[in-house]
Formats: sequence, structure tokens, C-alpha cells
Amino acid sequence: IAGITQAPTSQILAAGRRMTLRCTQDMRHNAMYWYRQDLGLGLRLIHYSNTAGTTGKGEVPDGYSVSRANTDDFPLTLASAVPSQTSVYFCASSPTQGAGETQYFGPGTRLLVL
Amino acid sequence: GQNIDQPTEMTATEGAIVQINCTYQTSGFNGLFWYQQHAGEAPTFLSYNVLDGLEEKGRFSSFLSRSKGYSYLLLKELQMKDSASYLCAVRDRDYKLSFGAGTTVTVRA
Repeated sequence: IAGITQAPTSQILAAGRRMTLRCTQDMRHNAMYWYRQDLGLGLRLIHYSNTAGTTGKGEVPDGYSVSRANTDDFPLTLASAVPSQTSVYFCASSPTQGAGETQYFGPGTRLLVL
Repeated sequence: GQNIDQPTEMTATEGAIVQINCTYQTSGFNGLFWYQQHAGEAPTFLSYNVLDGLEEKGRFSSFLSRSKGYSYLLLKELQMKDSASYLCAVRDRDYKLSFGAGTTVTVRA
């Protein structure tokens, strides 16, 4: 693995179902992030983690949960999916959350909730 | 919260120059980033400004004026592969990134 990987690449999900989007990085970055990208709205931060064992809420956290049991993995869970969660989801990481740190993005997961 | 504005679309000819403007209002300021995103792909880092002035990186330059809440990304000698969305992002006092909706640049032959 080199960089950030996300799984699945795409998914069609029935409303009300539970879904976990996976994100793994091998760069030993401390900080990780989940964004959703919707047409005309740009990337919006869902949840973040500054270091293993800690998480925080972003701009649009409702309906999503995250965990950070170790440095490499940062899964995003939709407990009961709704159609408004149809989006492209990007995971990102940075060495720390510091001012000049660049965020590196995974390839994204395209989710359709019906 | 943050308010980041950039034009929705721009079109330019191969070999030309295009300037993408970004204005922002933010609670605290810890730097401004530009990312490039090709259709169906992940955003990739282009530039970072934290002090006023111009940063040049090959064909791409980025300018920042903190007092005006203004930045621009300058793309010179446009190539077809530069057709993409360009995202302006501002890091606030809590070090979180907020993104503009992106500017789609189409390069025509």
C-alpha cells in the first residue's frame, strides 16, 4: 500500500441499512479526516481525528460516527443510511493538524442511498 | 464558520493564462491551500500560502492578501491536462480546512 486507500470504491445502499466506509493510510500520519463532496457545495468536513484514540466533529457530523483505534485506520459508519447521504466520500490524512500541513486524499467512495 | 467564494466555471485556450480568484471570510487564519481535482479523482495539493505575496511553482502561482481576504491561482501556458476543478481551502484558527465549491476550468484547443 502506498498512501491512502478507501473501500469500497462505490456502493448502492438501501435506506435504513448500516454501512461502514473504510480508510487506511500507511504514511504514519497522526491526523485523519472524512469529507463528503456534493455538487455545488464542495468538500465538507464530517469528522476528524488529530491522533489515535481521539475524534472530533466537523461541519456535518449528524448521521455519521467514526473511531480511531490505531494510527492507520479511520472507518466512517452510517448507522441508518438516508438518501441525503448520497455523496462522494473522501478520506484524507496529514502528518499533524498543524497550520502548514498538507492533507492527502484517498480515491473516494461513491455512495448511492436509495 | 467560513465563507469561501470562487467562480463556478472558467474557459480558456491552450497556451493562455487563467486566473482563478478566491475570497474568504474566516474565524482566524492559518493558511490558504489550492487543490486540483480531475473529474472522478481525489483532490491533489497544488500550493500553500500563509504570508502575503506570491508563491511560484513552475506554471502555477498562488497569491495571498490576508488584509483583503483574497487569493488567486494563476495557471500559465495552459495545457489540455489542466482541465480540472480547482479548490480553494482556508485553514481556520482550529486548524480545520474549509473548502470553496471549486472552479471548473475547461481548456480548449
